[in-house]
Amino acid sequence: SAVISQKPSRDICQRGTSLTIQCQVDSQVTMMFWYRQQPGQSLTLIATANQGSEATYESGFVIDKFPISRPNLTFSTLTVSNMSPEDSSIYLCSVESDSYNEQFFGPGTRLTVL
Amino acid sequence: AQSVTQLGSHVSVSEGALVLLRCNYSSSVPPYLFWYVQYPNQGLQLLLKYTTGATLVKGINGFEAEFKKSETSFHLTKPSAHMSDAAEYFCAKSGGATNKLIFGTGTLLAVQP
Repeated sequence: SAVISQKPSRDICQRGTSLTIQCQVDSQVTMMFWYRQQPGQSLTLIATANQGSEATYESGFVIDKFPISRPNLTFSTLTVSNMSPEDSSIYLCSVESDSYNEQFFGPGTRLTVL
Repeated sequence: AQSVTQLGSHVSVSEGALVLLRCNYSSSVPPYLFWYVQYPNQGLQLLLKYTTGATLVKGINGFEAEFKKSETSFHLTKPSAHMSDAAEYFCAKSGGATNKLIFGTGTLLAVQP
């Protein structure tokens, strides 16, 4: 299994600002994923990030709002831009293991936008 | 649309009682199925998975799940609940043309003393 860390673990931000969330993995992985978990809800996939290519966004999510970087095989960032209170969520990154689409998750970043 | 349905957003059991969390899926191809647990203020941890082979899958912390193709179900069970089992549980599937995980809406398990 992979060990995944995220920074920051939580933050409180003002509306209109941006926050960049970092995701670090202890091994090289091809695919990384970013999810949003709104209060009391399930996980929604934001985008898939492969090293060396543009991230692939799911319906309802756009690059201008959630730019993603994937500079190498162990690291990725997700930026939440021009935040509003509706962006208050837990943001999780995950990586795919070698088998059967299993994913390992980071501890999440708990974001509150005032 | 291919989906995952978890019946019961909240389940409450007494300590020592049977835990049964329900999950049904729809899929046009044989799916891979997963149960994840999320403890308060933590990320998701894999409990168990079904890929191929034996339909009864054993996971961590005494949990198990049975893949029933005829019922399109993958219910999670544990014979005797412990206070430490209180958490949110997510059923998920993948497979077919995509490697994406599709999650159910989650079931919050409460364990009463």
